[in-house]
Amino acid sequence: EPEVTQTPSHQVTQMGQEVILRCVPISNHLYFYWYRQILGQKVEFLVSFYNNEISEKSEIFDDQFSVERPDGSNFTLKIRSTKLEDSAMYFCASSDPPPSQETQYFGPGTRLLVL
Amino acid sequence: GDSVTQMEGPVTLSEEAFLTINCTYTATGYPSLFWYVQYPGEGLQLLLKATKADDKGSNKGFEATYRKETTSFHLEKGSVQVSDSAVYFCALSLYSSASKIIFGSGTRLSIRP
Repeated sequence: EPEVTQTPSHQVTQMGQEVILRCVPISNHLYFYWYRQILGQKVEFLVSFYNNEISEKSEIFDDQFSVERPDGSNFTLKIRSTKLEDSAMYFCASSDPPPSQETQYFGPGTRLLVL
Repeated sequence: GDSVTQMEGPVTLSEEAFLTINCTYTATGYPSLFWYVQYPGEGLQLLLKATKADDKGSNKGFEATYRKETTSFHLEKGSVQVSDSAVYFCALSLYSSASKIIFGSGTRLSIRP
């Protein structure tokens, strides 16, 4: 069964450093998303992406964050200058093509720890 | 704004007990509703979904019915197993292109042998 994959599974970085989290969505999906889950808290939406541009972003997704689909398979989340409060599990998701685009499938996550 | 409220955990049950996890929602329009499950150390897995009123989603013995009149989507299972121990998230998505999913706070379920 096709699945969303993410790399790395864990990342430790120093405050102020840049990190890039990588995702490979399901191959025929057209809509892509990033979410995060701070330890013990609910899953929060960061950004959605369609047709090579951001469709929607939350207030969390400030200028420190960016997303990119550099080729036909990868979808990346970049944090330019990490802060301690960026420590979280980051989930990538992709959704079915229309008419079922409301159903999102999540990757296993990347646990980011900022020291 | 749009939101999901689910019963707080943790919920601890004995094996073969009946499970209900309550979930209610607030949304403009007509959302699709989901239950996601997160097993220890793993990511989010779609458990079941319902896209319109009175639809029943089901999977692995779990069921939930989309109740528009009570804005609810309660998760039920008739006989739980130890392997069902996980965190369960109720969620909604407004039916539109590239629409975000809004999650509830999650309910931790522990099943005793």
